[in-house]
Amino acid sequence: NAGVTQTPKFRVLKTGQSMTLLCAQDMNHEYMYWYRQDPGMGLRLIHYSVGEGTTAKGEVPDGYNVSRLKKQNFLLGLESAAPSQTSVYFCATYRGSMYFGPGTRLTVL
Amino acid sequence: TQLLEQSPQFLSIQEGENLTVYCNSSSVFSSLQWYRQEPGEGPVLLVTVVTGGEVKKLKRLTFQFGDARKDSSLHITAAQPGDTGLYLCAGVGNAGNMLTFGGGTRLMVKP
Repeated sequence: NAGVTQTPKFRVLKTGQSMTLLCAQDMNHEYMYWYRQDPGMGLRLIHYSVGEGTTAKGEVPDGYNVSRLKKQNFLLGLESAAPSQTSVYFCATYRGSMYFGPGTRLTVL
Repeated sequence: TQLLEQSPQFLSIQEGENLTVYCNSSSVFSSLQWYRQEPGEGPVLLVTVVTGGEVKKLKRLTFQFGDARKDSSLHITAAQPGDTGLYLCAGVGNAGNMLTFGGGTRLMVKP
C-alpha cells in the first residue's frame, strides 16, 4: 500500500499563476485534509473533507479551493498564487490518527 | 478556538542527556497525540493518550496526559542523535476527526 501520496513534490510559481496539488490515498479513509506548514507556526488546516463530494473550510482557507470528486483523491487549487502561499503543503487522511503524505514544497516568486 | 502551546520551540542537547517537551492548552481534549516529523517527510504518529493522568512509554520516550486532559508532556531519557526531529502534539476534539496542532518542538541531539 502506498498510503498517502502527493503530486508534485516541488513547484516554483510566479505570482498570479495557478496550480493544482493532487493528493491520493489507497486506505479507503473517509476524512481527508490539506494543511500548510510554516516555520514556527506548526500545521494549519486549509480545507478538509468528511467524504466523497464534501468539502469544508479550515483555519486558513482564503486563496485556496478544493474538490473531492472521488473518495481516494483530494485536490487543492491555487487560482492566483501569492508569495504568502509559499509553504510546505501536507495532505492527510484520518482514522484514529492522521496519516500524512510526504508534502509538496511550493515557492511563489 | 482551541490552542495548543508547545515549549520549548527549539532544543539542542548532547547525546545522553534527558529532556522534556511540554504541550499546554486551556481547552479539554478527548485525547492527545504526539507526532514526530523528520526533514522532507510528513509527521508520523508516536502515541495517543486518552485518559487523564495516563502515562505511556515507548522505549526511551515517556508520554503523560494531564489529569484534566488539557496538557501533556514528552520525556526522552538518554537522547540519541536518531531522536533528532520535529515533535508535534495534537489535541483531538470531541468530534474525533479534527485535530489542533501545537507549534512544534525542534530537537537536535548532537553526538
